[in-house]
Amino acid sequence: EIVLTQSPATLSLSPGERATLSCRASQSVSSYLAWYQQKPGQAPRLLIFDASNRALGIPARFSGSGSGTDFTLTISSLEPEDFAVYYCHQRSNWPLTFGGGTKVEI
Amino acid sequence: QVQLVESGGGLVKPGGSLRLSCAASGFTFRDYYMSWIRQAPGKGLEWVSYITSSSSSTNYADSVKGRFAISRDNAKNSLYLQMNSLRAEDTAVYYCARYSDHGSGSYYFDHWGQGTLVTVSS
Repeated sequence: EIVLTQSPATLSLSPGERATLSCRASQSVSSYLAWYQQKPGQAPRLLIFDASNRALGIPARFSGSGSGTDFTLTISSLEPEDFAVYYCHQRSNWPLTFGGGTKVEI
Repeated sequence: QVQLVESGGGLVKPGGSLRLSCAASGFTFRDYYMSWIRQAPGKGLEWVSYITSSSSSTNYADSVKGRFAISRDNAKNSLYLQMNSLRAEDTAVYYCARYSDHGSGSYYFDHWGQGTLVTVSS
């Protein structure tokens, strides 16, 4: 099973600041990695797929990069609605797995 | 618009069974792969199972293999999860999600329901 390790567990920032979230895979997942955002009481929402492609309707302030084992989600300038938990997810190998999440808090 | 509505959750005793349903609308259900993903209270996401559009192939997490069974009825636009031999560690919100091809066989969960809570406790 591919283990995804996200860091940091919590990121404390202010609106307007830049957020950089990391996801490291226990073995290469090529570019088969996605990022999801989850707000309290809501279902996750797909942000980025294939490491760097924004999903439909996702603002340009969200960007993804990386390949192999190291990936980054960057939020260029935090908006109030961006404070949430972010999960990475790999589809390279079965079983499909998710990282433990990074909470972006004010 | 795409809607996925789960139902069937509730309180069940250890060893008991439950069947979850997911009603899909707003898209051509028979054309899409589907999946179940769960989230224990206060915890992260765990993929549970997936099924292809024609039900020709399924797959399960090791934690549920042999106890859970995924199925679908394309005529009813519905996805199901039959859960048997339930354990306390199966307690979670269960989401159904559309597993969609974003190009060249690149599948991801692009739409999720709001989830249904399953609590396994005596």
